[in-house]
Amino acid sequence: SQTIHQWPATLVQPVGSPLSLECTVEGTSNPNLYWYRQAAGRGLQLLFYSVGIGQISSEVPQNLSASRPQDRQFILSSKKLLLSDSGFYLCACDSSGANVLTFGAGSRLTVL
Amino acid sequence: RKEVEQDPGPFNVPEGATVAFNCTYSNSASQSFFWYRQDCRKEPKLLMSVYSSGNEDGRFTAQLNRASQYISLLIRDSKLSDSATYLCVVNGNNDMRFGAGTRLTVKP
Repeated sequence: SQTIHQWPATLVQPVGSPLSLECTVEGTSNPNLYWYRQAAGRGLQLLFYSVGIGQISSEVPQNLSASRPQDRQFILSSKKLLLSDSGFYLCACDSSGANVLTFGAGSRLTVL
Repeated sequence: RKEVEQDPGPFNVPEGATVAFNCTYSNSASQSFFWYRQDCRKEPKLLMSVYSSGNEDGRFTAQLNRASQYISLLIRDSKLSDSATYLCVVNGNNDMRFGAGTRLTVKP
C-alpha cells in the first residue's frame, strides 16, 4: 500500500511571504494526486488534482498554484500568502483508480 | 445547493447508543460513495465504501439510496473511541467531493 509524506507539518508565515508545501508518494506509480484545504471547523475543499506529470487541474480561482514535476511528487505553492490562505492542507493519493483516497498527515498553515 | 450535504451535528450520545448520519448529494451521475472518519487535527481515513446493496462492517452499516440521492451510516453499540467527525464522500467528474462532516461525541 502507498505511503504519503507531507512537509512541513506546521508552519507560521507572514502575509505576503511565499509558500511551498511538498507531498511525495511511495509504494505506487502513476497515482492521481490531490491537494485539499480544510479551514478551521469546515469541510475539505478541493484545490488541485493531477492525473500525471505536468497535468494540473484547478478547481477554484485562488492565490495558490500546484506543480507535479515527478510522478510521485506534488507541490503546492504561493508567491504571496494571504490571511485567508490559513488552513489545514492535505495531500491525497488515489493509486487504484477506484476513487479511494489515502491522505498524508497534513500541513497546518497559519498566516499572520 | 452544495454538492454533498451533511448534518453538521454535533451528535452527543451515550456509550452503547445507536446513531445514524445522513448525507445527500447533488450529482446524479456519481458512482462511488464512501464514509471517512477524521479525528481532531488529523487527516481523514477511509471508514468504509458504500455499495448499492448496502454493506456492513462490524458495528457499522452503510446504505445508498440512488433514487433520493442520499447515503447513510449507522453505528450500533457506540464506543468512546467512535468520537470523531464522519465525512461523506461522493465522486465528482474527476475527483472526490467531501461533505463538511458530522461530529459525533460518545460519552460515558
